[in-house]
Amino acid sequence: GAGVSQSPSNKVTEKGKDVELRCDPISGHTALYWYRQSLGQGLEFLIYFQGNSAPDKSGLPSDRFSAERTGGSVSTLTIQRTQQEDSAVYLCASRLGQNEQFFGPGTRLTVL
Amino acid sequence: QKEVEQNSGPLSVPEGAIASLNCTYSDRGSQSFFWYRQYSGKSPELIMSIYSNGDKEDGRFTAQLNKASQYVSLLIRDSQPSDSATYLCAVKAISSNYKLTFGKGTLLTVNP
Repeated sequence: GAGVSQSPSNKVTEKGKDVELRCDPISGHTALYWYRQSLGQGLEFLIYFQGNSAPDKSGLPSDRFSAERTGGSVSTLTIQRTQQEDSAVYLCASRLGQNEQFFGPGTRLTVL
Repeated sequence: QKEVEQNSGPLSVPEGAIASLNCTYSDRGSQSFFWYRQYSGKSPELIMSIYSNGDKEDGRFTAQLNKASQYVSLLIRDSQPSDSATYLCAVKAISSNYKLTFGKGTLLTVNP
């Protein structure tokens, strides 16, 4: 079946604008993760969903960041009033049970 | 603060040599350990997982775990240019059934 997909693959925006990033997990995967990876850095955990609920939002860097998941499937990560330091690759991963996390191709966000 | 430390590299080895990648972690409660490979501009993919002390071999890859020393390593035998990538170490604590903490990765270059 299809892997994790993310859209858009690239997003260039102006400082202060809002952006929405989308993740389509592997069908049937109940767990969904958002990570951020800045140049030369490791993966920074942002948020974890189990079904539609987010028991761990501890990695969201500020209240400008929010995420939701509907129908136990698609998730959107929203960044309001983007800042230049938000520029990074945003990766989504999904998991079934206790198995490995499968990553999507990421969205490269550039804030000018 | 639970941390996972890796030498950022770059680690450069000649084709056919053994590449040794190292990772240390601070949380003694960690139970599950993973190595991900990330090609430039691509998303991470899982190559090895290890859960108990000792060695685990899979083809040219061997993961080694020493919980007493809080140390996990990845050996790549007969290194190929196609192994050139960033290798991310990830650790899951016993206190969490879902969260991975990633190191910043080691850049490996295999020279033909």
